[in-house]
Amino acid sequence: KAGVTQTPRYLIKTRGQQVTLSCSPISGHRSVSWYQQTPGQGLQFLFEYFSETQRNKGNFPGRFSGRQFSNSRSEMNVSTLELGDSALYLCASSTGPGNTIYFGEGSWLTVV
Amino acid sequence: QKEVEQDPGPLSVPEGAIVSLNCTYSNSAFQYFMWYRQYSRKGPELLMYTYSSGNKEDGRFTAQVDKSSKYISLFIRDSQPSDSATYLCAVNAGGTSYGKLTFGQGTILTVHP
Repeated sequence: KAGVTQTPRYLIKTRGQQVTLSCSPISGHRSVSWYQQTPGQGLQFLFEYFSETQRNKGNFPGRFSGRQFSNSRSEMNVSTLELGDSALYLCASSTGPGNTIYFGEGSWLTVV
Repeated sequence: QKEVEQDPGPLSVPEGAIVSLNCTYSNSAFQYFMWYRQYSRKGPELLMYTYSSGNKEDGRFTAQVDKSSKYISLFIRDSQPSDSATYLCAVNAGGTSYGKLTFGQGTILTVHP
């Protein structure tokens, strides 16, 4: 069974640009969450989608957005990139409450 | 105050030692408790998952949850150099918040031969 797949794995962007990251959850998983990981702040929750609806949102500015498609695949977008957005962005999926949450390998974003 | 506190270490132990990793949390609403292992430049890998208070054992790993004191632990027996990684505790309130995990800062563990 394939795990959570994230693309691209590595990317470099310039300040002011925007970026879109993609996540394919484990087959059958309808819940997809996104996290940002930095050395200073650790792993922080961005948002979660379930059946194409955003259920929870973390404390991040509106430049961070996401969406989920009918096949449960998800994308997150960061607009007007800042140097501080350099981080590992992780996607996680689950079948729902009470069930285990699995992470992908992440997308490494460097903003220069 | 952070919702989940975890000693970042680093923790260095000899091969074969018993390792104890701990977290405390502040919100009594949390009812799902997880431990993840993360190798350098990799995504977190689920090690243990427990619901409510109690112990759970899986091979060399034992997870303990004490909801009365809001304290969670992970014990690693007969530690191996391959256990060298960052260990993250995570908590969750369940229900419609199930997809939202709150993590500790992570403890960096090194097991030397």
